[in-house]
Amino acid sequence: EVQLVESGGGLVQPGGSLRLSCAASGFTFSDYYMDWVRQAPGKGLEWVGHTRNKGSVYTTEYAASVKGRFTISRDVSKNSLSLQMNSLKIEDTAVYYCVTSGYESSAYSWWGQGTLVTVSS
Amino acid sequence: DIQMTQSPSSLSASVGDRVTLTCRASQSISNYLNWYQQKAGKAPKLLIYAASSLQSGVPSRFSGSGSGTDFTLTINSLQPEDFATYYCQQSYSTPPWTFGRGTKLEIK
Repeated sequence: EVQLVESGGGLVQPGGSLRLSCAASGFTFSDYYMDWVRQAPGKGLEWVGHTRNKGSVYTTEYAASVKGRFTISRDVSKNSLSLQMNSLKIEDTAVYYCVTSGYESSAYSWWGQGTLVTVSS
Repeated sequence: DIQMTQSPSSLSASVGDRVTLTCRASQSISNYLNWYQQKAGKAPKLLIYAASSLQSGVPSRFSGSGSGTDFTLTINSLQPEDFATYYCQQSYSTPPWTFGRGTKLEIK
């Protein structure tokens, strides 16, 4: 059974940094595309970025709103996905979900429970 | 970026009703359209992928159709557990994968 468990959320001041983690289990982690999707309070869903699978050399892409500030990486030895968030803005306040569509970029079959990041002074 | 427009933004219906939700893409996305259901405080759940394929474990009262730019999600015989917010998402070509703003389905 695929399981995704996020951690690392919390309160951070504008301009600060935070690192989110996602523990993955139930599948071959290196084979799957891994994405981050966020949802601001009371708002809709926004794709943040992804890292492709081993076959695509783990390349990454990001939404324009976070490019240059956020970095996605994975530790295959620990089956862990990370989202390093720097230069945080108030508008980055959201629940962050770790998600996967499996072997290719398509529909998100599996979601974590989400972790809340609040950027406020 | 491809824009996704959902309508209506909210809808009131009764248990047993048949409802149709609409999603329109700003350009053709073939059948790269997915539908999710989200209940308050929970992560979204995949219902339909590739416009019309039912995700495993999803009740058959849910169905999707469309291709190109216009898509629909139909729920036959609404059940109490179906009252939620529904999002469409395109996964065509290259990122960013964009979502619609959602349709909130409420009990009448």
